Amino acid sequence: SQKIEQNSEALNIQEGKTATLTCNYTNYSPAYLQWYRQDPGRGPVFLLLIRENEKEKRKERLKVTFDTTLKQSLFHITASQPADSATYLCALQNSGGYQKVTFGIGTKLQVIP
Amino acid sequence: DAMVIQNPRYQVTQFGKPVTLSCSQTLNHNVMYWYQQKSSQAPKLLFHYYDKDFNNEADTPDNFQSRRPNTSFCFLDIRSPGLGDAAMYLCATSDPRAPGGIDTQYFGPGTRLTVL
Repeated sequence: SQKIEQNSEALNIQEGKTATLTCNYTNYSPAYLQWYRQDPGRGPVFLLLIRENEKEKRKERLKVTFDTTLKQSLFHITASQPADSATYLCALQNSGGYQKVTFGIGTKLQVIP
Repeated sequence: DAMVIQNPRYQVTQFGKPVTLSCSQTLNHNVMYWYQQKSSQAPKLLFHYYDKDFNNEADTPDNFQSRRPNTSFCFLDIRSPGLGDAAMYLCATSDPRAPGGIDTQYFGPGTRLTVL
């Protein structure tokens, strides 16, 4: 069966360090992989999208990598700040016509001042 | 600003009493979704409308229904809420017609449903 795995345990890092979150998947052939941020009691907010033929995508302090051989995406936040504290969800969309987006459980990031 | 709006933000209902949650969008997106999200879980897709075409997920209980009277509005009806239906309900939109067919989801703030 299809599965998206994100570390459900919270990730605590010191302010200024680089946070790295992992998204692994099985039995998917994703056309796109997306990362969203979700704050408590709020809806997810889109951050970055990376296509299957892309290795890396950057946006300001954010960087996403996508390895379709390892079936893994890494999400990096450089120079992390307490305001980056949130839950980060990865989401996959299979290729082939219109396919729904499926979300992972998310990883809670806590940036400690 | 273009956005997705959900009302109410908090809804309390009694066990078995029908409830309707509403969603509106000013993005003019052709796809609208309803997700259920319980604490520390992934958003779970209940159904979506691609234009007027309704698409139900196979494991969505019959207790959940949806209506989309026009492009801007979508409603989630829970006919007989049970204690297990207490959750955050998220409405989202997307426009796969955008260049590249990218299905980025734009979410509303959610409605927190409590069932007493």
